[in-house]
Amino acid sequence: QKEVEQNSGPLSVPEGAIASLNCTYSDRGSQSFFWYRQYSGKSPELIMSIYSNGDKEDGRFTAQLNKASQYVSLLIRDSQPSDSATYLCASFYGQNFVFGPGTRLSVLP
Amino acid sequence: EAGVVQSPRYKIIEKKQPVAFWCNPISGHNTLYWYLQNLGQGPELLIRYENEEAVDDSQLPKDRFSAERLKGVDSTLKIQPAELGDSAVYLCASSSSGNRNEQFFGPGTRLTVL
Repeated sequence: QKEVEQNSGPLSVPEGAIASLNCTYSDRGSQSFFWYRQYSGKSPELIMSIYSNGDKEDGRFTAQLNKASQYVSLLIRDSQPSDSATYLCASFYGQNFVFGPGTRLSVLP
Repeated sequence: EAGVVQSPRYKIIEKKQPVAFWCNPISGHNTLYWYLQNLGQGPELLIRYENEEAVDDSQLPKDRFSAERLKGVDSTLKIQPAELGDSAVYLCASSSSGNRNEQFFGPGTRLTVL
C-alpha cells in the first residue's frame, strides 16, 4: 500500500514568517513529487513539482526532496494571509499519483 | 490555454437515482484521471485513462460506477444507483506525458445524495 503522510494541522504562522510543511512517503520507487494548494471549496492547484534530490525554488516557495529519507517539504517564505489553505503532497509512481491528506495552513495577520 | 472543464459543478439527488459527471481535459493531454475527494482527505483515484483506454480502474466500484472516454478526449463518470456514501467531490484531472507528468485539476463536481 503506497502511502503519503502529512500532519493535518492546522499549522498557524504569523504573517511574514516562514511556513514549513512536511510530507513522508512509503514507496521508494516514487519518481516525482508535487505540492498542491487547495482553498476551501476549490479544487487542488499545482504550485510546485520536484524530481531530484535537493532544493527547488520558485518565488516564495521552495520544495525540498530527500529520497534517502523519503521526505519532501515545502517552505513558504514571507507568508501572507492569502496563503491560508490546505497543502496537499503527492507522489508519482507507475503513472499514478498518491495524495496525502493535506496540511491546513493558517497565516495570521 | 483553457483548463480542465467539468460539469455540473453541483448536483443534489436522492439515493438510488443515477447521476453523471462530464469532463473535458486540457487540449493535448492524453492522460485523464477521475478522483473522489472526501472532506479532510486527499483525492483518491477512481480510474485513469490513457487516450481512450482505461488502464487503471482497480479502485472503481464497478457494481455501481462506470466511466467512458470516447475518442480519447472528454469523459463521463456515472453512478447508478447512487448511495448516501457517494456524497463527495468528484474531481477530473489531466496530464501530458511530455510535461513531466504535471497534473491539473478541474473545478470538481460536488455531489450530495439525500
